[in-house]
Amino acid sequence: DSGVTQTPKHLITATGQRVTLRCSPRSGDLSVYWYQQSLDQGLQFLIQYYNGEERAKGNILERFSAQQFPDLHSELNLSSLELGDSALYFCASSGESYSYGYTFGSGTRLTVV
Amino acid sequence: GESVGLHLPTLSVQEGDNSIINCAYSNSASDYFIWYKQESGKGPQFIIDIRSNMDKRQGQRVTVLLNKTVKHLSLQIAATQPGDSAVYFCAEKTKAGYSTLTFGKGTMLLVSP
Repeated sequence: DSGVTQTPKHLITATGQRVTLRCSPRSGDLSVYWYQQSLDQGLQFLIQYYNGEERAKGNILERFSAQQFPDLHSELNLSSLELGDSALYFCASSGESYSYGYTFGSGTRLTVV
Repeated sequence: GESVGLHLPTLSVQEGDNSIINCAYSNSASDYFIWYKQESGKGPQFIIDIRSNMDKRQGQRVTVLLNKTVKHLSLQIAATQPGDSAVYFCAEKTKAGYSTLTFGKGTMLLVSP
């Protein structure tokens, strides 16, 4: 157990629908990162939150949004889903030091049918 | 941003052999590097990291080498075991701004008994 908790583990939904993925960071970590992993793209950075505020944005589609709540858990919202959004979505957290690596959760596998 | 890449997508070795996984990075401003291991169905797991002021760092059965001149990173695994079979990613980041980890596409290591 890495200490980063992601729910649900699996999600199957239809095109056009909206889903919410949830992440609880490791205790004491203020930063949360979301990554998308598909077969042909590797791990793509989506967005980072630090203590409730958006800090960095990567290749995140406009149909996707995220937020971090006062208790530091984060949610990634995916809307108007397309078949191509099927992927593994990982959440990671880290401490404040620049030289810290990220601790990843076990991911949510999203399948859009 | 610039990306991190890997030379070999698949590496097959025999149990007990030493394995070397290579990574070329293109961002000369990167000064912190991490190797992650990802087993099937799991999130990436931190293996070892290295800062740009170092050339070599050793862990338990793993060694990371950094050659800044040619922007090359390698992961050496001694006495490879079947449990080492996984996908290995190198990742980099810089101190500039709110830099986040950029991942390469990964190398699959297959260890035969």
